[in-house]
Amino acid sequence: QVQLVQSGAEVQKPGASVKVSCKAYGYTFSSYGVTWVRQAPGKGLEWMAWVNAHDGNTFYAQNFQDRVTVTTDPSTNTAYLEMRSLRSDDTAMYYCVRDYDYICGSWGQGTLVTVSS
Amino acid sequence: QTVVTQETSLTVSPGGTVTLTCASTTGAVTSGNFPNWFQQRPGQAPRTLIYRTNNKHSWTPARFSGSLLGGKATLTLSGVQPEDEADYYCLLNFQNNWFFGGGTKLTVL
Repeated sequence: QVQLVQSGAEVQKPGASVKVSCKAYGYTFSSYGVTWVRQAPGKGLEWMAWVNAHDGNTFYAQNFQDRVTVTTDPSTNTAYLEMRSLRSDDTAMYYCVRDYDYICGSWGQGTLVTVSS
Repeated sequence: QTVVTQETSLTVSPGGTVTLTCASTTGAVTSGNFPNWFQQRPGQAPRTLIYRTNNKHSWTPARFSGSLLGGKATLTLSGVQPEDEADYYCLLNFQNNWFFGGGTKLTVL
C-alpha cells in the first residue's frame, strides 16, 4: 500500500541547515507530487512547498521561498526538504504528503526538527 | 495575505451531527479552491479525509462529507463517534499557493 517514510529526528543549532527525506512506497513515484507541511509545537499546520516528482517543478509559500529547497530523486523514490539558516522558531514537526492534481493523499509519519543552541 | 478561517472549537454529542466551516478573507470559497479536509488525532500525523470539496478517500468513514455552502467549504460529521474527537483542518488553493485554516478542535461529549 501507499506509504511515505520520513527520516529520523534532527537537532540542529541556529544558523545551521537540515535536510529531511521522505521515501515513497507502493505507487509510481514520478506520477505524483510531494507537498511539505510543518507544525510547530501546539500550533496548526503550515503549508511550505510542493514539488512535482516527474519534472522537478516547484512552488513555495512566500514565507519559505528564500530558505527552503524541495527536490526529488526518482531513482530512489525519495523527496527532500532542505531548510537553511535555521532559527529557534523553525522547531517543528515536518510532514510530507503525496499530492496530485489538487488531491492530498497519504502523509508521512513526520520528522521532528529541533533548533537549539 | 490570504487568511483561511475555521471555528476554533466545537462540541458535539455522540451520535449527533456537526458541521465545520472553512472561509477565506478574499471572498467566497469555490470548487476552484479545491478544498481538502484533514483530521489530526492527538499525537498522530494528520490524515486526509476529503479532497476537491466532496470526494472521499478509501479510508474515509462514510459519516464524513464535504460540500460548499454559503460561500464556505464545509465538513459534516453525521452520527459522530467518540473517536472523531480531534483537530480538523481545511486547506484551500489560491493560484498554486495553499493555505491552511487555523483548525477546529472538535470535542465529543
